[in-house]
Amino acid sequence: GNSVTQMEGPVTLSEEAFLTINCTYTATGYPSLFWYVQYPGEGLQLLLKATKADDKGSNKGFEATYRKETTSFHLEKGSVQVSDSAVYFCALSYNTDKLIFGTGTRLQVFP
Amino acid sequence: DGGITQSPKYLFRKEGQNVTLSCEQNLNHDAMYWYRQDPGQGLRLIYYSQIVNDFQKGDIAEGYSVSREKKESFPLTVTSAQKNPTAFYLCASTKLQGNSGNTIYFGEGSWLTVV
Repeated sequence: GNSVTQMEGPVTLSEEAFLTINCTYTATGYPSLFWYVQYPGEGLQLLLKATKADDKGSNKGFEATYRKETTSFHLEKGSVQVSDSAVYFCALSYNTDKLIFGTGTRLQVFP
Repeated sequence: DGGITQSPKYLFRKEGQNVTLSCEQNLNHDAMYWYRQDPGQGLRLIYYSQIVNDFQKGDIAEGYSVSREKKESFPLTVTSAQKNPTAFYLCASTKLQGNSGNTIYFGEGSWLTVV
C-alpha cells in the first residue's frame, strides 16, 4: 500500500545551519507530495507541495524536489532560524485526496 | 475571515461518555476529514466526506461516528466504544478539483482528554 517514511527526530541545529529532513514514499502510480509544518499546540500548515516528477516546491526558504527515481521528497533549507522550530510532516495523496502522513520530524533550532 | 473552525479547543471526557467535536468551514470546500494525532506520532485518518450526506471510514473509524448534513459542517462524535480516545483531533478540508494535488487545509485542532 501507499506509505511515507521520514527520518526520526529530533533534529537539533544551531541557527543558520543547513537543514535536510529525509522523506521517502511507497506508492503505485504518481502521487502528489507535500510537506506540512506544525507549530506547538496548533494545526498543520502547508509548507510546500509538488504534483509531478522533477517538480520543486518552495516556500519561506524551504525546498523539496519530487524524485521519482529514488521515490524521495527531501526537505531542505540553507539557513534555519529559531522560528523554524516545529514538527515537519511529509505526506502524499493519491486519487482520492486523502493524505497519508509520515510520523513527523521534530526540528529544534538553538541560537 | 475564511477558514476552518474547530471547537472546543480543549475537552475532558469521563469514562463512558460520548462527546462531539465541532468542525465548521466557510471555504466552500467539498471534502472534509477528521484525523487523530497521538503524541510523537503521525496523523491517522478517522473519517472523510466528499459530498453532503455521504462519508467513508478511514483507517481507524472504530469508536467514532460522523455526519455531513451541511457542506460547511462535519462533526465528529467520540463514543464510549473508543477505548483510548485521549488525543489531538484535527479537522481538514479541501476543494475537489479532479486531481490529487489539491491542498488540504487544517483547523487548529481539539485536545480530548479522558478523566
